[in-house]
Amino acid sequence: DTAVSQTPKYLVTQMGNDKSIKCEQNLGHDTMYWYKQDSKKFLKIMFSYNNKELIINETVPNRFSPKSPDKAHLNLHINSLELGDSAVYFCASTRGTNEKLFFGSGTQLSVL
Amino acid sequence: AQSVTQLDSHVSVSEGTPVLLRCNYSSSYSPSLFWYVQHPNKGLQLLLKYTSAATLVKGINGFEAEFKKSETSFHLTKPSAHMSDAAEYFCVVSDLAGRRALTFGSGTRLQVQP
Repeated sequence: DTAVSQTPKYLVTQMGNDKSIKCEQNLGHDTMYWYKQDSKKFLKIMFSYNNKELIINETVPNRFSPKSPDKAHLNLHINSLELGDSAVYFCASTRGTNEKLFFGSGTQLSVL
Repeated sequence: AQSVTQLDSHVSVSEGTPVLLRCNYSSSYSPSLFWYVQHPNKGLQLLLKYTSAATLVKGINGFEAEFKKSETSFHLTKPSAHMSDAAEYFCVVSDLAGRRALTFGSGTRLQVQP
């Protein structure tokens, strides 16, 4: 059973398109995150939701919009994709103040 | 503000020899510190965590790390490297300002030679 699952695993698209990445966790966690990993492997937090409420919103362009329909899901929608959006996006979750993060396997986004 | 610096972007060792991955941190609070490992094309997995209990923390797969406040360091070690240890390792510090955000280091790629 996959604890944190994201789809799709690979996403290749043209500049200007709109795309979504989905994330689901079956761990009963109440906090979910989106991280972006660039080509140099640097990981940076983008968003965090706790019980469907946005608690962290780093300096991310407003073309990126997270949506949390329930505690188990945190989707990431990206409008007007740009070349610089190419990266690996990781979803993660944790329970309460327990800071052990469980990561999904990542979505590799390539914008052409 | 908090930050973490991984002193080596790449470390290469021979199988069976010790591993040392270096990490220095900066934090305004008593930090929580972590090491995560990322195998190729995989998500990240927690190796170990320090939260102000014992300064020597034992993790999975034979790894351990020692918290040294005077040196603001949290280096990761393993007595004997295995081929399966080849991966990217991230040192992480926790933001205790209520945001529960983790700040990741830039990563150290560990290569294990046969």
